[in-house]
Amino acid sequence: NAGVTQTPKFQVLKTGQSMTLQCAQDMNHNSMYWYRQDPGMGLRLIYYSASEGTTDKGEVPNGYNVSRLNKREFSLRLESAAPSQTSVYFCASRRGLSSYNEQFFGPGTRLTVL
Amino acid sequence: RKEVEQDPGPFNVPEGATVAFNCTYSNSASQSFFWYRQDCRKEPKLLMSVYSSGNEDGRFTAQLNRASQYISLLIRDSKLSDSATYLCVVNFNAGGTSYGKLTFGQGTILTVHP
Repeated sequence: NAGVTQTPKFQVLKTGQSMTLQCAQDMNHNSMYWYRQDPGMGLRLIYYSASEGTTDKGEVPNGYNVSRLNKREFSLRLESAAPSQTSVYFCASRRGLSSYNEQFFGPGTRLTVL
Repeated sequence: RKEVEQDPGPFNVPEGATVAFNCTYSNSASQSFFWYRQDCRKEPKLLMSVYSSGNEDGRFTAQLNRASQYISLLIRDSKLSDSATYLCVVNFNAGGTSYGKLTFGQGTILTVHP
């Protein structure tokens, strides 16, 4: 039982390049989330998927797209990377939307855009 | 005003000390509350949920004051291994439907020294 896994762990891009961050969970969770974490800003929600087949914008969606490929996988795509997207990206999953369901996080992807 | 505010610290305390962290939230419709712990360069992990009556888990005690929109975390008998960033997390109830969106404070840094 690996929990939430993310690939890659580290990535360096040049401005304008594209890439996809991959996330998978093996806990049979319905909800999945993408966050970014910047110094002094806390974690901010980019996109989330309440259940398979649905996606919704979070707090900071501009410059990103997501795909809920199936119940296990939720990917985040940067179509044209910008230096402002340099950050640590965390994927998370949660069994459902009930208030006290714990949210489990992946190990993160450290992205630098030059 | 930020939706969830924490004193960023850092708090530097000796082993064995008692330390308390506070957190305020702005949305009175908030539904559920958590403390997460994040070690350096790692993902956040749930430390404890915070219930209306207050709850305790070993050396950790969490309190919730809905009237003042205030959450606290008390750590007794601090250990070196308690050194981490502590994140206050709030689940808001939007439009009568909880869609599982957690809002994170920026975190409070704790360093416990010998």
